[in-house]
Amino acid sequence: DVVMTQSPLSLPVTLGQPASISCSSSQSLVYSDGNTYLNWFQQRPGQSPRRLIYKVSNRDSGVPDRFSGSGSGTDFTLKISRVEAEDVGVYYCMQGTYWPPNTFGQGTKLEIK
Amino acid sequence: EVQLLESGGGLVQPGGSLRLSCAASGFTFSNYAMNWVRQAPGKGLEWVSVISGSGRTTYYADSVKGRFTISRDNSKNTLYLQMNSLRADDTAVYYCAKGDIVIVPATIDSWGQGTLVTVSS
Repeated sequence: DVVMTQSPLSLPVTLGQPASISCSSSQSLVYSDGNTYLNWFQQRPGQSPRRLIYKVSNRDSGVPDRFSGSGSGTDFTLKISRVEAEDVGVYYCMQGTYWPPNTFGQGTKLEIK
Repeated sequence: EVQLLESGGGLVQPGGSLRLSCAASGFTFSNYAMNWVRQAPGKGLEWVSVISGSGRTTYYADSVKGRFTISRDNSKNTLYLQMNSLRADDTAVYYCAKGDIVIVPATIDSWGQGTLVTVSS
């Protein structure tokens, strides 16, 4: 199975400052159609997860443009340009190239410093 | 707007059974793969099972294979998870999650609010 590894696992950030979360996969996530199926999810405290980013860098409808995704092959990054209070929560990457089983990263807990 | 509403969670003894349901609306249910994903208390997300839009293809995580059965009724826009031989480590919030038109490659674009399953004597 593909293993997804996130870092850091805990991320204290000052309001208004940028934040960056890394996700690496044990195999390249490039699918046979040339696309890379790497997703990012946000889970706010007490809420269900919601998808922020799909296929590495595509933002879902309603996701603020301060969120961006990048990367290729086995290494990916979620960036928040200026952290706001509502961004507190846990962020997960998930690969969809080798499925099933789907595999999530361990999660990165973002908190305000 | 996609809506997914889970039900059926509760307290069950080890070795017992439970059936979860997920009522879907806001999209053409039969066109999309559907998943169950769980989250143990204080832990991360764990994918459990997926079923194709037609219902003909199913996959399971090794941790539930042989004990859980995913199914769907496209006439009722409802997804199910039959859970047998439940163990304490099955205790989790179970989320119904909408996939894509195909199972592979995969994504999840919508989640329900979750239903809590507690396995304890």
